[in-house]
Amino acid sequence: GENVEQHPSTLSVQEGDSAVIKCTYSDSASNYFPWYKQELGKGPQLIIDIRSNVGEKKDQRIAVTLNKTAKHFSLHITETQPEDSAVYFCAANQAGTALIFGKGTTLSVSS
Amino acid sequence: GAVVSQHPSRVICKSGTSVKIECRSLDFQATTMFWYRQFPKQSLMLMATSNEGSKATYEQGVEKDKFLINHASLTLSTLTVTSAHPEDSSFYICSGYSGNTIYFGEGSWLTVV
Repeated sequence: GENVEQHPSTLSVQEGDSAVIKCTYSDSASNYFPWYKQELGKGPQLIIDIRSNVGEKKDQRIAVTLNKTAKHFSLHITETQPEDSAVYFCAANQAGTALIFGKGTTLSVSS
Repeated sequence: GAVVSQHPSRVICKSGTSVKIECRSLDFQATTMFWYRQFPKQSLMLMATSNEGSKATYEQGVEKDKFLINHASLTLSTLTVTSAHPEDSSFYICSGYSGNTIYFGEGSWLTVV
């Protein structure tokens, strides 16, 4: 089955800096790669996703890149703000199957 | 977007009792739903895949007799934690597909005292 590795487990940045979180997956058949933000006490919220037919997707300050050959994908947050502080999870799956999550990255943005 | 509703959002039960968590797809039909468990400061771990009209498929290490899953209709899947113990205290969350997009419920906090 699919296995998703996520790094780093914790990340501290200054407000305005960029943050990058990286994930690798094991199943070459996986074709959907979402990123979730989870705030304390709440469920995960989808922030951006990418499918295997594209290499990069951007939504304002957030971008995701995918390298299918190397089986890794990354989340990039630019101009970080304190409200970006949360736990971020990457995930991967094939269409119709369960998402498999990485272990999460705790992002702390200090002002 | 599609909505998945989970109930209750928080529940406290006594050790040894059973508790049922409902997951409803409000505006789409879900032949398959997925149940996850998340312990504090950990990731979401897939527990089981719930299939409408048939038995659920459980992940390795998940006790099917303890975590009963019923998916009797296209819009409702239930997870019953039987003979709950304090170590079952966790955040339980379901998800389902609408088209090729997956949607999550709000999650249910279970505390066993």
